[in-house]
Amino acid sequence: GDSVTQMEGPVTLSEEAFLTINCTYTATGYPSLFWYVQYPGEGLQLLLKATKADDKGSNKGFEATYRKETTSFHLEKGSVQVSDSAVYFCALFTGSARQLTFGSGTQLTVLP
Amino acid sequence: NAGVTQTPKFQVLKTGQSMTLQCAQDMNHNSMYWYRQDPGMGLRLIYYSASEGTTDKGEVPNGYNVSRLNKREFSLRLESAAPSQTSVYFCASSESASARATEKLFFGSGTQLSVL
Repeated sequence: GDSVTQMEGPVTLSEEAFLTINCTYTATGYPSLFWYVQYPGEGLQLLLKATKADDKGSNKGFEATYRKETTSFHLEKGSVQVSDSAVYFCALFTGSARQLTFGSGTQLTVLP
Repeated sequence: NAGVTQTPKFQVLKTGQSMTLQCAQDMNHNSMYWYRQDPGMGLRLIYYSASEGTTDKGEVPNGYNVSRLNKREFSLRLESAAPSQTSVYFCASSESASARATEKLFFGSGTQLSVL
């Protein structure tokens, strides 16, 4: 079945550091890929998405590129801020699964 | 600007007790969902509803029932709570008229449930 594997956390960075959170997937068909973010005490929010190979999703300084050849969708940000501290979830959707499949989440803490 | 509202935010139950988690959305969305979030396991779909009057099982439906009361409201019921149901529960909604086409979900802030 479909699955998403995320880099295990927690990840702790200093402000202005470069961020990478790895995400790889296994899916039948051609999935759409997503990153959701969960700030403390809140529900998940869509951060960015990509719907086909080589697409780049971007939002709030975060980027992720859909790499079909490596089945990956790694999240990157060039300079993190304290306000980026949250849990980040990679997810995929395929028509065969009829639902979003989430990774286990990666806790990011950014220190001032 | 409420979005998706869940109640209660916290609940402690004893094994065998029953309770209903409430969810309402004010975005006129067609599809609604219930997920549970467990450490190291991400979010898993319990049930979803693509439209008023219809519900379908997700990945982990056992021990739960749902009701799509109207377009706005989607409740989750635990008839006889078990410790394995200790989790954080999230309700979500999407505009899509078909849950098969789900992309962007809007989530509530969650219910933390402990079953002793």
